[in-house]
Amino acid sequence: DTAVSQTPKYLVTQMGNDKSIKCEQNLGHDTMYWYKQDSKKFLKIMFSYNNKELIINETVPNRFSPKSPDKAHLNLHINSLELGDSAVYFCASSQWVRGSYNEQFFGPGTRLTVL
Amino acid sequence: EDQVTQSPEALRLQEGESSSLNCSYTVSGLRGLFWYRQDPGKGPEFLFTLYSAGEEKEKERLKATLTKKESFLHITAPKPEDSATYLCAVHSRHKLIFGAGTRLAVHP
Repeated sequence: DTAVSQTPKYLVTQMGNDKSIKCEQNLGHDTMYWYKQDSKKFLKIMFSYNNKELIINETVPNRFSPKSPDKAHLNLHINSLELGDSAVYFCASSQWVRGSYNEQFFGPGTRLTVL
Repeated sequence: EDQVTQSPEALRLQEGESSSLNCSYTVSGLRGLFWYRQDPGKGPEFLFTLYSAGEEKEKERLKATLTKKESFLHITAPKPEDSATYLCAVHSRHKLIFGAGTRLAVHP
């Protein structure tokens, strides 16, 4: 199936730990994103990469570090986890075409719980 | 500041009872307005993109319309399987800005 996939689906960890979330897309898109959805269900952009280059970094604490090894993958590493990091994290992808803004396709989400 | 506001926050309908969801926006230069559907525990699923005022798009029981200040998602004769949260977003400076969503519940 062509899709955006994320692992793990659920992540439960203690405060202060370091964790990573992985994302892969096989849609052939050149742009990938990380979003955070908080308890009030608001979806907010965190990062965006186009062709492995960071193009959006939305005032996210530098404990969060995205890494894009290639166009099909965008991973999110989080250091020193805090209670407030508990949320659902979504990966998304789209194809950038000059002068056009195409729809983004979302992964299933990773529910992070920090205890 | 770019902003998206959706109303109502929640909507309960009887099966077959048509209604509309509203998305009002302020953005410096609209580059596209997007509607998504989100089921519990899942990622948003793309429904429609609208680019200019007057544009309309339809898919099964859903119809999206766009003016210079707002968009409507009309649901005609909804079924219980249409129950979900409907999200509206605008494209601004390479990113999507989402509204808080409308939680729709359709009861038999």
